[in-house]
Amino acid sequence: AQSVTQLDSHVSVSEGTPVLLRCNYSSSYSPSLFWYVQHPNKGLQLLLKYTSAATLVKGINGFEAEFKKSETSFHLTKPSAHMSDAAEYFCVVRGSARQLTFGSGTQLTVLP
Amino acid sequence: DTGVSQDPRHKITKRGQNVTFRCDPISEHNRLYWYRQTLGQGPEFLTYFQNEAQLEKSRLLSDRFSAERPKGSFSTLEIQRTEQGDSAMYLCASSLNRSNEKLFFGSGTQLSVL
Repeated sequence: AQSVTQLDSHVSVSEGTPVLLRCNYSSSYSPSLFWYVQHPNKGLQLLLKYTSAATLVKGINGFEAEFKKSETSFHLTKPSAHMSDAAEYFCVVRGSARQLTFGSGTQLTVLP
Repeated sequence: DTGVSQDPRHKITKRGQNVTFRCDPISEHNRLYWYRQTLGQGPEFLTYFQNEAQLEKSRLLSDRFSAERPKGSFSTLEIQRTEQGDSAMYLCASSLNRSNEKLFFGSGTQLSVL
């Protein structure tokens, strides 16, 4: 079975400082991993996906994530936070049955 | 708007009543998914359609829940004899029939069972 663990339920950063949202995964085979973002009253939006083509994945809005098999991690980063980045972020693994398994989410707060 | 649309946005019902939600996927997408999200948690998979065929159902989908996609386009999710534990956000998503294709999510239907 596949699962993901998001290590922080809340992260606060100041505008213009780096963002790090941590995710560890568990999978019995090479996983497909995703990061989704959920803004209030909006649908979940895909930020980026890893499907074994390259370990460093670039997504939308300046986000990127690095797949590290040795650490079973897929952390999400952004060099400089913007106020509009405040949202809930989900790390997701795709299981063999094509369904997505979501982590419990990390609420990102960006302080002015 | 050509995204995934869900109706209604909010539903308040009394315990024991039946409710039905509708999802209209992106028109060319033949895969459709239902998820449920409770407060403070990530979405949990409920069921999946490819065209009109319901191919997978989670153990979360009790006998009181039924989903249909009769013509391979829109889908409905019905909950019979609602319980307070059914209160959640019900999310619909759609995708193309390709490996690792990304899912597009609707804004969800927020169900409150009183």
